[in-house]
Amino acid sequence: SQQGEEDPQALSIQEGENATMNCSYKTSINNLQWYRQNSGRGLVHLILIRSNEREKHSGRLRVTLDTSKKSSSLLITASRAADTASYFCATDANTPLVFGKGTRLSVIA
Amino acid sequence: KAGVTQTPRYLIKTRGQQVTLSCSPISGHRSVSWYQQTPGQGLQFLFEYFSETQRNKGNFPGRFSGRQFSNSRSEMNVSTLELGDSALYLCASSLDTTSFEQFFGPGTRLTVL
Repeated sequence: SQQGEEDPQALSIQEGENATMNCSYKTSINNLQWYRQNSGRGLVHLILIRSNEREKHSGRLRVTLDTSKKSSSLLITASRAADTASYFCATDANTPLVFGKGTRLSVIA
Repeated sequence: KAGVTQTPRYLIKTRGQQVTLSCSPISGHRSVSWYQQTPGQGLQFLFEYFSETQRNKGNFPGRFSGRQFSNSRSEMNVSTLELGDSALYLCASSLDTTSFEQFFGPGTRLTVL
């Protein structure tokens, strides 16, 4: 299976701190995506990084991809209470997307 | 543009019943995927439809079925419900099969008693 595995499963930080989540996967991929899910709601796409890219930024988000290690990291800088959510990585070699089980981030005000 | 809509949002059924969930994709999107989300198994892929054809199917029993209509709206059906079918069912649409970003609806929360 190429299922991504996020690490840690849960993370609790203070507002203003940075949050880093990691994702590892098993097989070669075309792209890796990160999604956010607020409690019991649908997922929201955050960022996509292609297999030939090493780093990508979007606002307070920074994603890195290391295809040699089959891993990716998502960094959220200057976290806010509103960032409290679950974060999932999703990989695709061929459709469909395969999601990991997520990292539950709690940002304490 | 309106987002992906799913109806109903909440549903309570009893074991043995069947249920139909509906998904309307973003206007212009032709690909629709369905996922089941449970605390234990996480997000699991159910099916993907494009132009009324099922392109991919996940590892679920035949009690789970779906279809897509000519206007890209999709339905999924679960027959002979089991307690373990209690989950959040998420629908996602994308422009076509080459678009990697998926846009998710709010989900249908199914509870089987």
